[in-house]
Amino acid sequence: DGGITQSPKYLFRKEGQNVTLSCEQNLNHDAMYWYRQDPGQGLRLIYYSQIVNDFQKGDIAEGYSVSREKKESFPLTVTSAQKNPTAFYLCASSTPSGSRLDTQYFGPGTRLTVL
Amino acid sequence: GENVEQHPSTLSVQEGDSAVIKCTYSDSASNYFPWYKQELGKRPQLIIDIRSNVGEKKDQRIAVTLNKTAKHFSLHITETQPEDSAVYFCAASIEGNTPLVFGKGTRLSVIA
Repeated sequence: DGGITQSPKYLFRKEGQNVTLSCEQNLNHDAMYWYRQDPGQGLRLIYYSQIVNDFQKGDIAEGYSVSREKKESFPLTVTSAQKNPTAFYLCASSTPSGSRLDTQYFGPGTRLTVL
Repeated sequence: GENVEQHPSTLSVQEGDSAVIKCTYSDSASNYFPWYKQELGKRPQLIIDIRSNVGEKKDQRIAVTLNKTAKHFSLHITETQPEDSAVYFCAASIEGNTPLVFGKGTRLSVIA
C-alpha cells in the first residue's frame, strides 16, 4: 500500500472543467487500475492498464480518459462529459514484473467534488 | 463477464461472536478470490485471499472457504472485536488474465 500515492487528496471542480487525478507507484507493478466508489455501489472499474502504452476500458469508462506513458504512472482525466463525477476515486496496482499474481494494492484515494 | 454477488449488505454482531460474509461468482474460470477491508474514508486493504487450488485458508481470526462446484466463497471472522467494524469487499478474477470484479460490500458493525 505505501508504494502507491494519489494526489490530490481532495479536489473541487466546477462544472465544465476537466481535471486530472495523479497515481504513482514504485512497486514495479505492471498493471494499474482506476476505480470509482459511490456509497452502496462498491468499486466500479473505470480503466485498467496491464502494460505501458496500453490500456482497456472498464465498466464505466464514459467521460474519463487515461494514459500510461510510464510504468510508474497512470493519470486519470475526468472530462466535462462525465455527468456525475462527484465520487471517491481509487487507484490500484498489481502484478510484479515477471509474475502473474493479481494481488492488488490500493492508493489512498482522491475525493472529487463538483461544485 | 464475471458477476460477483455479496451478502448480506449489512451485518451487526456482538463483540466476541463470529461473522460470516458470503459471495457467489458466475465465471467458473475464475481462480483468484481476495477479500478487502475498508475503514471509513480509507483505502481498501487486503486481509486474505485464496486461489482455487485450495478449499480453505486461515490467518489468525480470519478464514476464507471456497466451494468451486457451487461457485461461492465465504469470509469468516471469529471472536469479533470493535476494530473489525468496517466495510468488507469480496472479489474474483482469472488471475493474470482479467481484472478483479468486486462485490458491493458488507458493512460489518461489531457492538461492544
